[in-house]
Amino acid sequence: AQSVAQPEDQVNVAEGNPLTVKCTYSVSGNPYLFWYVQYPNRGLQFLLKYITGDNLVKGSYGFEAEFNKSQTSFHLKKPSALVSDSALYFCAVRDQAAGNKLTFGGGTRVLVKP
Amino acid sequence: KAGVTQTPRYLIKTRGQQVTLSCSPISGHRSVSWYQQTPGQGLQFLFEYFSETQRNKGNFPGRFSGRQFSNSRSEMNVSTLELGDSALYLCASSRQARTSGGEYQETQYFGPGTRLLVL
Repeated sequence: AQSVAQPEDQVNVAEGNPLTVKCTYSVSGNPYLFWYVQYPNRGLQFLLKYITGDNLVKGSYGFEAEFNKSQTSFHLKKPSALVSDSALYFCAVRDQAAGNKLTFGGGTRVLVKP
Repeated sequence: KAGVTQTPRYLIKTRGQQVTLSCSPISGHRSVSWYQQTPGQGLQFLFEYFSETQRNKGNFPGRFSGRQFSNSRSEMNVSTLELGDSALYLCASSRQARTSGGEYQETQYFGPGTRLLVL
């Protein structure tokens, strides 16, 4: 069975500092990995995905993520955080054996302080 | 292009009632998936529909059901509501279920959700 772990419930960072949100995964086959962000009372917004190719994936709003197969990790990063980046972030994996189903991590709340 | 729309946005029901939620996917998207989001269980997959057929189902009781119409719009129904069914129900659409190579590579785009409160 596939699974995703986001080890930090909350990440606090000062505006302008680098932001990292951690994600590790477990799948039986090749992983397709996704990051989504959720603002209060809103649905999930797609940030980026890793399917194949370069391990460093660039996405929306200046976010990027690095796929590390040996460590089974897909950490989300942003070089300089903004107050508006404060939100709930979800990592998700799709295992080909499970079809189109996404399995999500528990989410990490990011708080960027001015 | 309009995004995924869900109606209603908010709903209050009492235990034992039933509820129907609606989802209109992005134009051209044929796959629709449903997820339940609760503080305790997080985001959990309910089911996926493609070409009016349920392709995949999560671990939920039979009280949860869904369907998809020929225009790809989808509905989910919850019968005999329980307090624990209070949640944000999210619908996601993607363009197609598989690539020509048989792989699922499409991104799922989510709607704003329907917040259901069961009293």
